[in-house]
Amino acid sequence: EVQMVESGGGVIRPGGSLRLSCAASGFTFDDYGMSWVRQAPGKGLEWVSTINWNGDSTVYGDSVKGRFTISRDNAKNSLFLQMNSLRAGDTALYYCARVRSNSGKGSFDYWGQGTLVTVSS
Amino acid sequence: EIVLTQSPGTLSLSPGERATLSCRASQSVSSIYLGWYQQKPGQAPRLLIYGASSRATGIPDRFSGGGSGTDFTLTISRLEPEDFAVYYCQQYGYSPYNFGQGTKLEIK
Repeated sequence: EVQMVESGGGVIRPGGSLRLSCAASGFTFDDYGMSWVRQAPGKGLEWVSTINWNGDSTVYGDSVKGRFTISRDNAKNSLFLQMNSLRAGDTALYYCARVRSNSGKGSFDYWGQGTLVTVSS
Repeated sequence: EIVLTQSPGTLSLSPGERATLSCRASQSVSSIYLGWYQQKPGQAPRLLIYGASSRATGIPDRFSGGGSGTDFTLTISRLEPEDFAVYYCQQYGYSPYNFGQGTKLEIK
């Protein structure tokens, strides 16, 4: 069974940093691109970032570019999101999702349950 | 940047009726890069359709997708009670891989 479990969320002050993790299982991790998608409370889905199968291609949404870094460790079947210079507008539930291709250009066919990040003073 | 606009914002229908949801792109999107997702309250999104018209694993055949260029549709042929949810389209061919703002399908 394909499964993704996110962790690392919490309450953080503006300007702070947080590192999210996503533990994947049930599939060959390095056959797939991976993504992060977030959802602010009561709002719609916002794509954050995508990484290809081996980590040498990454793309970011404009609202996080230069502040967030996506990475992966294929030996540990894990995806990460390093978030720096956090703002109140980054408050959201962050989902890890599998991409239906190894390049990163594909639909998101499996999702975790999300980890909540709250940026507040 | 490709902006996706979904309409209507809210659709009120009864079980058994047919639902047609629209997703319009600000510029042409290759059909292979258009997907639809369903999200129920408190749950993660679920992939319904990829490549504009291909059903994802386990998705009932009452769900169908179509369209090309800038205009795409998701059709639910006969609504079941479990279909009332929020639906999002997404293009994943050109970064940023934006989602539409969503259509809420509610029980009339």
